[in-house]
Amino acid sequence: DTAVSQTPKYLVTQMGNDKSIKCEQNLGHDTMYWYKQDSKKFLKIMFSYNNKELIINETVPNRFSPKSPDKAHLNLHINSLELGDSAVYFCASGLTDTQYFGPGTRLTVL
Amino acid sequence: KQEVTQIPAALSVPEGENLVLNCSFTDSAIYNLQWFRQDPGKGLTSLLLIQSSQREQTSGRLNASLDKSSGRSTLYIAASQPGDSATYLCAVVNDYKLSFGAGTTVTVRA
Repeated sequence: DTAVSQTPKYLVTQMGNDKSIKCEQNLGHDTMYWYKQDSKKFLKIMFSYNNKELIINETVPNRFSPKSPDKAHLNLHINSLELGDSAVYFCASGLTDTQYFGPGTRLTVL
Repeated sequence: KQEVTQIPAALSVPEGENLVLNCSFTDSAIYNLQWFRQDPGKGLTSLLLIQSSQREQTSGRLNASLDKSSGRSTLYIAASQPGDSATYLCAVVNDYKLSFGAGTTVTVRA
């Protein structure tokens, strides 16, 4: 059984488009996270939600908007995609020091 | 702002050699430190977690040390195997966030 799943695994799109990445966890965790891993391999937190409420928002452009319909899901919507948005996006859930990560979504903006 | 640095960026060793991976962080007020393994196309797997009050943690062939005052941690992998080939990430927890290094990519040659 997959603990943290993300769809799609790969996403290739044109600049200016709007796209979404979905994340689901079946671990019963209250907190979920989105991370971005850039070309230099640095993983940086973007958002954290606890029970559908935003608790961490790290200087991320307004074009990025997380949406949590329930505590098992945290989706990431990105508007007006830019070349610099190309990266691997990871979803995670759990406590700060015990996080379970999804397999990642590789986003390529052309 | 916490900055985490990992040296070396890449390492290639013959099977059976011991591995030494280094991690340093700038803000010593950490809650704990973790070592993760990242395999291509997959998420992160937590290997070891060292609480700020601990000096080291061991799991099988893996041993991690922590010197909080000097902002350093070292991951030792004994008797490396080809299956150890992966990227190893160091991460520290402070301010309720995980801050990651860029990782060390390890290749173990058979």
